[in-house]
Amino acid sequence: DQQVKQNSPSLSVQEGRISILNCDYTNSMFDYFLWYKKYPAEGPTFLISISSIKDKNEDGRFTVFLNKSAKHLSLHIVPSQPGDSAVYFCAASEYPGNTGKLIFGQGTTLQVKP
Amino acid sequence: KAGVTQTPRYLIKTRGQQVTLSCSPISGHRSVSWYQQTPGQGLQFLFEYFSETQRNKGNFPGRFSGRQFSNSRSEMNVSTLELGDSALYLCASSQDAGTAYGYTFGSGTRLTVV
Repeated sequence: DQQVKQNSPSLSVQEGRISILNCDYTNSMFDYFLWYKKYPAEGPTFLISISSIKDKNEDGRFTVFLNKSAKHLSLHIVPSQPGDSAVYFCAASEYPGNTGKLIFGQGTTLQVKP
Repeated sequence: KAGVTQTPRYLIKTRGQQVTLSCSPISGHRSVSWYQQTPGQGLQFLFEYFSETQRNKGNFPGRFSGRQFSNSRSEMNVSTLELGDSALYLCASSQDAGTAYGYTFGSGTRLTVV
C-alpha cells in the first residue's frame, strides 16, 4: 500500500519556464511534508517543507502548495534551471517533529532543457 | 560543518554473510534514521535512533538491526545476506527528531550481494 504517490515518473521543461511536480497521499494522519532532490550517487538533499497548518511555503525559486482536502501537494520551481535536473522525492511524516520516519514517493525525474 | 558521513561507500558481499554499515551524523544531531533505496521499492524506512534508543522501526525482517552510540554515531547490521538486500543504504540525521528541520542525508553505502 503506497501511502505517498508521485504519479509522473518524469517531467521535461524548458529552461526559464515553471516546473510543477505533484504528489498525492492517502494517510490523513500525515502532518508534515517535505521535498527532496537527488542526484545520482548522492543522498537526497532537503529542499523545502510544509506543515499541515499551512497551504503554502516559499523559499526562493521553490514553492510548495498543500491541499489537505484533496490530499495533494505540489512543488513549483520558477524559473527552472538546467541545474535543477534531478530526481525529486516528496515525503510525508505522520507526526510533527517526531519519530524520524519519512514515507517517500517513488520520485519524479525532472529534466530542464537549456 | 561536516555533513553526514557514511562508510564504506561501496561494498560487495556474498549471500549468507553479514555486513555492518556506519553512519556519522552532523555534529550535534541526535536523531539518525536509516533507509533502503531499491529501484523497485524506492526509499523505505528501516529504523530511527535518538539518544541511543530505537524509537521507530519499519517493516523489515529481524536480519536488519542497528544501534546508536553515545556520540550519536550509528551502525546498521544485516545478517544472513540475501540477493534482494542489494541496495543503496542511506542514513539521515537531524538535530532533533524534527521534520521541521528536514533531515540531512549522507551519500549512502552501495551494497551488492552476489
